[in-house]
Amino acid sequence: QLQLQQSGPGLVKPSETLSLTCTVSGASISSSSYYWGWIRQPPGKGLEWIGSIYYTGTTNYNPSLKSRVTISVDTSKNQFSLKLSSVTAADTAVYYCAAPRGIAAVAPGVIDYWGQGTLVTVSS
Amino acid sequence: EIVLTQSPATLSLSPGERATLSCRASQSVSSYLAWYQQKPGQAPRLLIYDATNRATGIPARFSGSGSGTDFTLTISSLEPEDFAVYYCQQRSNWPPFFGGGTKVEIK
Repeated sequence: QLQLQQSGPGLVKPSETLSLTCTVSGASISSSSYYWGWIRQPPGKGLEWIGSIYYTGTTNYNPSLKSRVTISVDTSKNQFSLKLSSVTAADTAVYYCAAPRGIAAVAPGVIDYWGQGTLVTVSS
Repeated sequence: EIVLTQSPATLSLSPGERATLSCRASQSVSSYLAWYQQKPGQAPRLLIYDATNRATGIPARFSGSGSGTDFTLTISSLEPEDFAVYYCQQRSNWPPFFGGGTKVEIK
């Protein structure tokens, strides 16, 4: 059973960089079975796709966030990470890591596994 | 970019009633549409994928239909635990964006 455990600060100052990590257990981060992605949800609002990375290293980002987002993988720790630069109050949200199904799976892109969510508040 | 529009924004129903939720895509997504349920303080849970396929462990009262641009999630008889927010998601084009959600609340 795949499990995703998120970690990172819950408070970030405006103009700084938000950094979150997701530790994967139950599967290798190098597996082709999953993408590794991040999704956020502002308080009281809907889900916004941030981006994803595949085991090949290929990344794909939401065009509206692309200039500020970096998603990377640390194979030695079986983790993947999100960095969002130059944050403002509009980036306040619950951030989820997720494991969308990989290319070879039935229904690639569908998400069976989610992290627990981290509320990140941008405030001075 | 494919935009998904969900309606209604809020659906007020009583337990035992039938719920019908709509998701409309700005262009065809074939059958590549999923539905998720989210309860307060929880991550979303996959209900339906590829328009009509129930995910593992999802009760038969949940069903999906549609193709192209118009999709429906039906809950045949609402149970107390079904009152939640429901999101659709397309995987026809990457990134796989979500719709804005429909809240099913107790009347």
